[in-house]
Amino acid sequence: VVLTQSPGTLSLSPGERATLSCRTTQSVSDGYLAWYQQRPGQAPRLLIYDVSSRAADIPDRFSGSGSGTDFTLTIGRLEPEDFAVYYCQQYRDSRWTFGPGTKVEIK
Amino acid sequence: EALLVESGGGLVHPGGSLRLSCAVSGFPLRDYSMSWVRQSPERGLEWVSFMKNTGSPIYYADSVRGRFTISRDFGRTSMFLQMNSLRAEDTGTYYCARTWRTNSFDIWGQGTVVTVSS
Repeated sequence: VVLTQSPGTLSLSPGERATLSCRTTQSVSDGYLAWYQQRPGQAPRLLIYDVSSRAADIPDRFSGSGSGTDFTLTIGRLEPEDFAVYYCQQYRDSRWTFGPGTKVEIK
Repeated sequence: EALLVESGGGLVHPGGSLRLSCAVSGFPLRDYSMSWVRQSPERGLEWVSFMKNTGSPIYYADSVRGRFTISRDFGRTSMFLQMNSLRAEDTGTYYCARTWRTNSFDIWGQGTVVTVSS
């Protein structure tokens, strides 16, 4: 399974809404699609699992949606700490695969 | 607080070996499946290996199968990755990660850097 993410870079201002896309080459089984945030010099942090469930301590401005092969991560109103790289990840057939990432940068 | 701390990275020649360790605290290792994930500019984030909390099953990415071995020491709450026949493309930051509901990774260590170069 190959994951593609778009756009590669998203330039937005604090307070704006961010919409990130993830597409898979095969339908995601059992909703096993997750999203991660990675800030410079840090490890990835789980934001969303099972397509739309927020991980522990994740603010509700982060939301996930989608089905089949098309998924979306939405950040309702960007806070300064949200400017980072975001990865989607799927699980299928005992394999875990990550997308190439979308960088959300300050406009 | 759940915490993972990796160690054992370094510079190694092609064909060499390294053993990475992951010290686990803040949760019982016996109750959670664990994985290794690596990251490099060339390959991005790449899952490497998985071990179920019971010790089986174990899975490997095609790129490392036959060269890497995952293991854990239940008594000392540590996980390991033995890496043999290392190649330049194995260069990267290696993270241990707690596997959440089998399909995602909810706790990550800070990573340990592996460089394979002559």
